[in-house]
Amino acid sequence: DIQMTQSPSTLSASVGDRVTITCRASQSISTWLAWYQHKPGKAPKLLIYKASSLESGVPSRFSGSGSGTEFTLTISSLQPDDFATYFCQHYNSSPMYTFGQGTKLEIK
Amino acid sequence: QLQLQESGPGLVKPSETLSLTCAVSGGSIISTDYYWGWIRQPPGKGLEWIGNIYYTGSTYYNPSLKSRVSISVDTSKNQFSLNLSSVTAADTAVYYCARPYYGLLGGMDVWGQGTTVTVSS
Repeated sequence: DIQMTQSPSTLSASVGDRVTITCRASQSISTWLAWYQHKPGKAPKLLIYKASSLESGVPSRFSGSGSGTEFTLTISSLQPDDFATYFCQHYNSSPMYTFGQGTKLEIK
Repeated sequence: QLQLQESGPGLVKPSETLSLTCAVSGGSIISTDYYWGWIRQPPGKGLEWIGNIYYTGSTYYNPSLKSRVSISVDTSKNQFSLNLSSVTAADTAVYYCARPYYGLLGGMDVWGQGTTVTVSS
């Protein structure tokens, strides 16, 4: 089974900062990776799919990169609305889905 | 804008069957571009995919839960449902329904807000 490992588990940052979250796969997954934003009590929101494709309506300050086993989500300039938990997800055509454990982005 | 809403009992007794329904509004459940899926998150843990269903009724389950899971679709009511049998405290979680893209088109683009299910006597 493929395991997805995110780091860090918690990240403290300030408005305007550039932040990067990493997701590593236990084996190569090509670019079959998505990133989500999740706020308490709300529905998770798809940000990025296929590692680097921006979902429609998502601000351009969000970007994704990587392939194989290492992936990153970058927020270029943090906005107050961005403080949330972010998680990665590997998907394949079986279908089968595996999630990272999440990164909580907190206000410093 | 398509929306998903989970419903069902918030408390289930051990060994019984957990049953949840996801109502789809703002769009049709009959779509060739999407599955309809269930995901859960136990307290303090990460997300776990439970399974998907296609509008035709074809189902795909997480192997770790396959023996206890059944997902069905009712196109006339525009909803799909989850049954999880023989539940234990380990099945206590927030349960989400979602709309995964079919094939490798992408991730899950619409989610419900989630419903908390506690397994306890």
